[in-house]
Amino acid sequence: DQQVKQNSPSLSVQEGRISILNCDYTNSMFDYFLWYKKYPAEGPTFLISISSIKDKNEDGRFTVFLNKSAKHLSLHIVPSQPGDSAVYFCAASEGSGSRLTFGEGTQLTVNP
Amino acid sequence: EPEVTQTPSHQVTQMGQEVILRCVPISNHLYFYWYRQILGQKVEFLVSFYNNEISEKSEIFDDQFSVERPDGSNFTLKIRSTKLEDSAMYFCASSDAGDKPEETQYFGPGTRLLVL
Repeated sequence: DQQVKQNSPSLSVQEGRISILNCDYTNSMFDYFLWYKKYPAEGPTFLISISSIKDKNEDGRFTVFLNKSAKHLSLHIVPSQPGDSAVYFCAASEGSGSRLTFGEGTQLTVNP
Repeated sequence: EPEVTQTPSHQVTQMGQEVILRCVPISNHLYFYWYRQILGQKVEFLVSFYNNEISEKSEIFDDQFSVERPDGSNFTLKIRSTKLEDSAMYFCASSDAGDKPEETQYFGPGTRLLVL
């Protein structure tokens, strides 16, 4: 099941710089997209989301961009902080109450 | 801030034994979910539950699995006869599925199940 794919298993950036995490999907029925952050031995923590009717959503240092024609979304973190170091999962759903389909995750490391 | 809680945090069991994983969803939420993550793999959907019945289940969720909402607060996942391959982190999630199409699922901290 490769409906949601995160091609970069890891990303390393310097503190203060921008982190860009990418996610691609194949299912055109997905209409809601979410990013979760996960620390080892903890559950996924909701970060930010975007509906398919939008192309951008911003919350503080976090911005998610959606390109429906390319079936691609990205998460921008500016400025990156060492506390942002975690695994970031992209997830998608087909509507209210339906299952989330997750990507493989990207390990972000922010170096001081 | 309301959160999803799960017990136990860790469970070790012998192959063939029954286990029950427990979850307390966020109190005003209506949809409940179980997911699992086998070490090194993706987070996978198991089952969703709404209005006291299963609304959707994956191919993983076979006859060995069952879910129940025994009272107004708990949501449980039972594995009747555990296999080695059931070893994973199991996450409970809940959401407030109102009329809006965007509905965020909030996850608990997980139960690490080890089948020996």
